[in-house]
Amino acid sequence: KAGVTQTPRYLIKTRGQQVTLSCSPISGHRSVSWYQQTPGQGLQFLFEYFSETQRNKGNFPGRFSGRQFSNSRSEMNVSTLELGDSALYLCASSLGTGNSNQPQHFGDGTRLSIL
Amino acid sequence: GNSVTQMEGPVTLSEEAFLTINCTYTATGYPSLFWYVQYPGEGLQLLLKATKADDKGSNKGFEATYRKETTSFHLEKGSVQVSDSAVYFCALSDQGYGNKLVFGAGTILRVKS
Repeated sequence: KAGVTQTPRYLIKTRGQQVTLSCSPISGHRSVSWYQQTPGQGLQFLFEYFSETQRNKGNFPGRFSGRQFSNSRSEMNVSTLELGDSALYLCASSLGTGNSNQPQHFGDGTRLSIL
Repeated sequence: GNSVTQMEGPVTLSEEAFLTINCTYTATGYPSLFWYVQYPGEGLQLLLKATKADDKGSNKGFEATYRKETTSFHLEKGSVQVSDSAVYFCALSDQGYGNKLVFGAGTILRVKS
């Protein structure tokens, strides 16, 4: 069974640009969550999508947005990039139904560097 | 709000030593608790989980028991190997919040041969 696939693995952008990251969940998983990992702030929840609808949202500015397609693939977009957006962005998928004790399966992440 | 506190690292051990990484949490309701491991250049892998008080999660020689009275979920392993060197994250998922995980800061484990 293929795991969670994130593309691209590495990205270099400059301040003010925008970027789109992609995540393909495990087949059959309908929930996709995004996390930002930085040395200073650790792992922080960005948002979760389930059946093409945003179900949960973390405390990030509106420059961070996402969407989910009918095949459960998800994209996140960051506009007007700032130096502080440099991070590893992780995507996780799960079945999404039932209660919250289902494990989430993570991809290897996209490393975003802002110059 | 919900939060997770882990012992600071790095933790450096010799091969075959006993490992304990402390984790305590603050949460409303009855969260599920998880340990994830991250190897260099990779994403997070689920190591073990516990969904209710007194549950013991175990996997690959690692164990952790959900202690509601002390709000703790300490990770233990009887004999570590060099291949266990990684970053370990304790996390909780509160019921009613979908799949949102709240993570601790992570603990770096280094095992020397």
